Amino acid sequence: NAGVTQTPKFRILKIGQSMTLQCTQDMNHNYMYWYRQDPGMGLKLIYYSVGAGITDKGEVPNGYNVSRSTTEDFPLRLELAAPSQTSVYFCASSDLAADTQYFGPGTRLTVL
Amino acid sequence: AQSVAQPEDQVNVAEGNPLTVKCTYSVSGNPYLFWYVQYPNRGLQFLLKYITGDNLVKGSYGFEAEFNKSQTSFHLKKPSALVSDSALYFCAVRDLSNTGKLIFGQGTTLQVKP
Repeated sequence: NAGVTQTPKFRILKIGQSMTLQCTQDMNHNYMYWYRQDPGMGLKLIYYSVGAGITDKGEVPNGYNVSRSTTEDFPLRLELAAPSQTSVYFCASSDLAADTQYFGPGTRLTVL
Repeated sequence: AQSVAQPEDQVNVAEGNPLTVKCTYSVSGNPYLFWYVQYPNRGLQFLLKYITGDNLVKGSYGFEAEFNKSQTSFHLKKPSALVSDSALYFCAVRDLSNTGKLIFGQGTTLQVKP
């Protein structure tokens, strides 16, 4: 039982490039979330999903897209990367809306 | 709008002394409150949560938190700090929308010195 896994761990992008951050959970959780963490700012919700085929915007969705074709996977797509997207990205999942969220190890992204 | 505040950027404690990391919240209705810990270059780990019931919640690694409705606070405590407790601590409140979304405080760095 690996929990929540994220790939890659680190990535450097040039301005205007695109990439997909992968997130997979093996706990059969319905709820999944993408956060970004900036120094001194806590975590901000980018997108979330309450089940396969259902996604919605969080607090800071601009510049990102998601899809949820399976229960296990919740990839985050960055189109036209900008320096403002330099951050650490965390994926999380939970079983019920009120339950504990389990976090992946994060992806550190730098856009130059 | 719901919010969480952690008024201290950093808390410094000597090993063996009690520690408190402060958190206050603003929500309408009954809050669901959480504490998470983040060690360097790691993801967030769940420590404890308050949903209902006893105001004193016990969690992992000897941590506990006291829910105080009148003061809208949910402070994290430990009777005797360890150097290994040094980390970044986040308080969070669940969004009212029943989607499980969490609203996080900005985090407090705990430094425990030998």
